[in-house]
Amino acid sequence: EAQVTQNPRYLITVTGKKLTVTCSQNMNHEYMSWYRQDPGLGLRQIYYSMNVEVTDKGDVPEGYKVSRKEKRNFPLILESPSPNQTSLYFCASSSGSGYSGANVLTFGAGSRLTVL
Amino acid sequence: GEDVEQSLFLSVREGDSSVINCTYTDSSSTYLYWYKQEPGAGLQLLTYIFSNMDMKQDQRLTVLLNKKDKHLSLCIADTQTGDSAIYFCAEKSGAGSYQLTFGKGTKLSVIP
Repeated sequence: EAQVTQNPRYLITVTGKKLTVTCSQNMNHEYMSWYRQDPGLGLRQIYYSMNVEVTDKGDVPEGYKVSRKEKRNFPLILESPSPNQTSLYFCASSSGSGYSGANVLTFGAGSRLTVL
Repeated sequence: GEDVEQSLFLSVREGDSSVINCTYTDSSSTYLYWYKQEPGAGLQLLTYIFSNMDMKQDQRLTVLLNKKDKHLSLCIADTQTGDSAIYFCAEKSGAGSYQLTFGKGTKLSVIP
């Protein structure tokens, strides 16, 4: 089944303890992206990647890092999490045709992160 | 920058039609999308429309695009309780980009 898989789905952690949220897709998609969803703020993009070793900042990159060493994986790293990073996180991917045509994103199920 | 606006809440009775509206500011938008987010789940694409079209129909869903006013509507006929969800409008600007701009989402509540 074509899908985007995120782990963990739920995580409670403490301020300053480094964590990584993994994202993997099995569709050979070029484009991958991370979003956070907060009440009243909708979906905001954190980082995106147009291909292996190509990443760029979205609208809210502060406090996050990403890497794209392989096409299928796009982990989101919080080096020193803070309570304002408590949120629902989504990874999404799409194929290369999305660059010039309709960019249809496939989303993961989400990772709910709580930072105490 | 680009902006996409939606009302935050809509409540309808089961069996009625729902109309979710969206406005956008980018006059170079090429594709406009509707995504659905059910409770506890990720976003799923419902439908999208190319900017040179003014209407697209898919079973109970009708998308209307008024490009002059930069206004997009999602109409759901015979709304069911299973349609209760958050609906996101999104737009893609230009041909050489992957980037989508999302609205804040409209929470549709269907009253039995």
